[in-house]
Amino acid sequence: DADVTQTPRNRITKTGKRIMLECSQTKGHDRMYWYRQDPGLGLRLIYYSFDVKDINKGEISDGYSVSRQAQAKFSLSLESAIPNQTALYFCATSERQGSYGYTFGSGTRLTVV
Amino acid sequence: AQSVTQPDIHITVSEGASLELRCNYSYGATPYLFWYVQSPGQGLQLLLKYFSGDTLVQGIKGFEAEFKRSQSSFNLRKPSVHWSDAAEYFCAVGVSYGGSQGNLIFGKGTKLSVKP
Repeated sequence: DADVTQTPRNRITKTGKRIMLECSQTKGHDRMYWYRQDPGLGLRLIYYSFDVKDINKGEISDGYSVSRQAQAKFSLSLESAIPNQTALYFCATSERQGSYGYTFGSGTRLTVV
Repeated sequence: AQSVTQPDIHITVSEGASLELRCNYSYGATPYLFWYVQSPGQGLQLLLKYFSGDTLVQGIKGFEAEFKRSQSSFNLRKPSVHWSDAAEYFCAVGVSYGGSQGNLIFGKGTKLSVKP
């Protein structure tokens, strides 16, 4: 099994629908992140969580919410999906200190029609 | 504000030729710098990182990068490119908060194409 697992891998949804992207990890890392990748824009941070009770907004949090259900699980929700949220979404984890050793999931490709 | 600039959106090199991908950063403190590679349809893989010490760092797959503080640069190099190196490459800087490790800020990426 992968260290960081994202589900689903691909999803097509309609405008206005609520959708949840899930991320689970077996690394035992405290910190988890959600990034969004758009062509030509690189990866932009949506939300990050340094532990279960510590959740922070990133660069582009509008239109998104997150839930850290446990150390190993970090979900990203789009309350009312819109077409410009069509993107590739990555979850990542890292240790608490020192190495910035990020482990990335394989990504979720979301299309909003 | 912290930022990472990758000036080249797309580079094409011939197989066997040398490669240099440029990265400039803006960060007030000592930077933690990274290069990641993303093959088509894949996640990101760490190529190498710089924290301190020797300014020339070696990574996986034959890549190296040189930190130049005076130029705020962290360019990625490879002496001889292979067709399998075709991918998108991201430079990133690790930011800290009050001395504690924070998150990564990524550049917009450079797409590398390799000609036979």
